[in-house]
Amino acid sequence: NAGVTQTPKFQVLKTGQSMTLQCAQDMNHEYMSWYRQDPGMGLRLIHYSVGAGITDQGEVPNGYNVSRSTTEDFPLRLLSAAPSQTSVYFCASSTPSGNTIYFGEGSWLTVV
Amino acid sequence: GEDVEQSLFLSVREGDSSVINCTYTDSSSTYLYWYKQEPGAGLQLLTYIFSNMDMKQDQRLTVLLNKKDKHLSLRIADTQTGDSAIYFCAETSNTDKLIFGTGTRLQVFP
Repeated sequence: NAGVTQTPKFQVLKTGQSMTLQCAQDMNHEYMSWYRQDPGMGLRLIHYSVGAGITDQGEVPNGYNVSRSTTEDFPLRLLSAAPSQTSVYFCASSTPSGNTIYFGEGSWLTVV
Repeated sequence: GEDVEQSLFLSVREGDSSVINCTYTDSSSTYLYWYKQEPGAGLQLLTYIFSNMDMKQDQRLTVLLNKKDKHLSLRIADTQTGDSAIYFCAETSNTDKLIFGTGTRLQVFP
C-alpha cells in the first residue's frame, strides 16, 4: 500500500515562479487536505476537499490553488511563489468519519 | 473558531515519564489525536481517542481525555532518547477538518 504520496520532497523556487505539489492516495478516501507547517505555528489548513469536484478554503488559502478532478489526486498550485511560502507542506487524506487520517511525508519548499 | 493549545517545550530525564498536555475549545470534537514528528520527517500518527472515551492505553502510551474541561494528555512511560520529537495534538469534529495545536517539543536527556 502506497498510502499518501507527495512529490517533490524538496524544492527550491525563485520568487515569482510557479509550481505544483502533487498528492495522490490509493485508499479511495473522499477527504483530502493540504497543510503547511511553520516553526512555532503548528499545522495550518490551506485547502481541503470532501470529494471529487469539491474544494474549499482553509485557514491560509491565499497564494494557493487546488483542484480535485479525481478521487485519487489533490494537487496544490503556487501561482507566483513568495518567500512567505517557504514552509513544509503536508497532504492528508481520510474517510468522512475522520477516525483515520493519513499524511504524506511532507514537501520542503524554499522560495528565494 | 476552533483552537487547540499546547505548551511549546518539555524536557525530561531518560527513564522518567513524560506528560504532554493539550486543551481545545471545540465542544463538538469527535476524535482527538496525537502525532509525532521527528526531525526532518513527516507526521506519524501515534494514537487517537474517540470523544466518548476517557482513557486509552497502548504499550508505553496513555491518553487521558477530560471532556468537561476539554483537556487531553499524552503520557509516555519510561521515556527514551528516541522519543525526542515534536508532539502534535489535533482534533476533528463533524466538519471533518483536522485542527492542530502548535506542537510540544520533547527533549529527553540522559
